[in-house]
Amino acid sequence: GAGVSQTPSNKVTEKGKYVELRCDPISGHTALYWYRQSLGQGPEFLIYFQGTGAADDSGLPNDRFFAVRPEGSVSTLKIQRTERGDSAVYLCASSGQGSSYNSPLHFGNGTRLTVT
Amino acid sequence: QKEVEQNSGPLSVPEGAIASLNCTYSDRVSQSFFWYRQYSGKSPELIMSIYSNGDKEDGRFTAQLNKASQYVSLLIRDSQPSDSATYLCAVILGAGGTSYGKLTFGQGTILTVHP
Repeated sequence: GAGVSQTPSNKVTEKGKYVELRCDPISGHTALYWYRQSLGQGPEFLIYFQGTGAADDSGLPNDRFFAVRPEGSVSTLKIQRTERGDSAVYLCASSGQGSSYNSPLHFGNGTRLTVT
Repeated sequence: QKEVEQNSGPLSVPEGAIASLNCTYSDRVSQSFFWYRQYSGKSPELIMSIYSNGDKEDGRFTAQLNKASQYVSLLIRDSQPSDSATYLCAVILGAGGTSYGKLTFGQGTILTVHP
């Protein structure tokens, strides 16, 4: 079976532009997470979906960032008025139902966003 | 103090040696701890999880947890060049952290195993 798929793998955009990053989780996984990883750092939590709803969006840095998961499968992370500080690798992960004991996170290969 | 902190790297060990990676965390009631391996340009890959005090062994990997000291470590025995990667410690902070996988990561330790 396929793993977590993220598109595009690379995105270069100009400061001030709008971008959308897509995540296609493992089929049947109800939980979906977005993380952001800057160079030389560990991933930083952004938002968690359980089904269609955002159960925890406490990691979104400001209101320029928004994410949706309208049908409980594919998710899109949207960034408005991009800034150079938004440059990072955006990672998506999914897991099945249940606790962390039996539902480890499976990460996608990420989207590398560069804001020029 | 960072919520999850790893020993500064990079760490370089010869092939066949034991590599020791360390991590401390700030929230003493945390219950769930993980080690991820990340090759350059790739996504993090779960290699160990540990929830109880003591040692947990899986092949050449041993995770050690000491909740009283708020310390978790990863030992890699008989290190191979293919083990060269960044190792990330991750914690689900707080006592209720088994309901979902909101991980807080350390900054990672770069390990190089030289032949």
